[in-house]
Amino acid sequence: SAVISQKPSRDICQRGTSLTIQCQVDSQVTMMFWYRQQPGQSLTLIATANQGSEATYESGFVIDKFPISRPNLTFSTLTVSNMSPEDSSIYLCSANRGSHEKLFFGSGTQLSVL
Amino acid sequence: KQEVTQIPAALSVPEGENLVLNCSFTDSAIYNLQWFRQDPGKGLTSLLLIQSSQREQTSGRLNASLDKSSGRSTLYIAASQPGDSATYLCAPLYTSGTYKYIFGTGTRLKVLA
Repeated sequence: SAVISQKPSRDICQRGTSLTIQCQVDSQVTMMFWYRQQPGQSLTLIATANQGSEATYESGFVIDKFPISRPNLTFSTLTVSNMSPEDSSIYLCSANRGSHEKLFFGSGTQLSVL
Repeated sequence: KQEVTQIPAALSVPEGENLVLNCSFTDSAIYNLQWFRQDPGKGLTSLLLIQSSQREQTSGRLNASLDKSSGRSTLYIAASQPGDSATYLCAPLYTSGTYKYIFGTGTRLKVLA
């Protein structure tokens, strides 16, 4: 399986600022997804990162708050904009090489907003 | 709306028991379903992947079944061990609209020595 490097692994941010999370895969992948996991809960899909076009957002998530880029088949970024304490969570990048393949994950970004 | 529910939410058992974890999903338009394990404070590990055309998939002491028409999947863990203690998550790959994995609510398993 491929390896995903996600950076930063954790950060503490001030209210009103923005943080960009990077996701680098060591080989080309078809699908890339961004998830949020709040304490004690399961994963919630934020959006599907589409290569060369705008991301597809799930209900409750908007581009102005969570802009996503995917310039090529191995890299994506998620920005959490104008942060508030409610954005404190773990953010996870995931990918696979095709619909027949297993989904694999980066190690996550632990975000705390003060 | 696509929803994925797992029962039970939590389970505590003595070592050696055979276990059944259940996953129910709305909307049968799925391409496959995966089972994951998540250890506290760590990332997710894929355990089994079942294609929609398959009925079962096995890996060691783990066996997963899929009944797409009824919207159900089951993960069987044989002869449980303390090292199996973790949260187990199922995730169907939905194909209506864009492809996307929706994760279940999870089952927290504790196996006592």
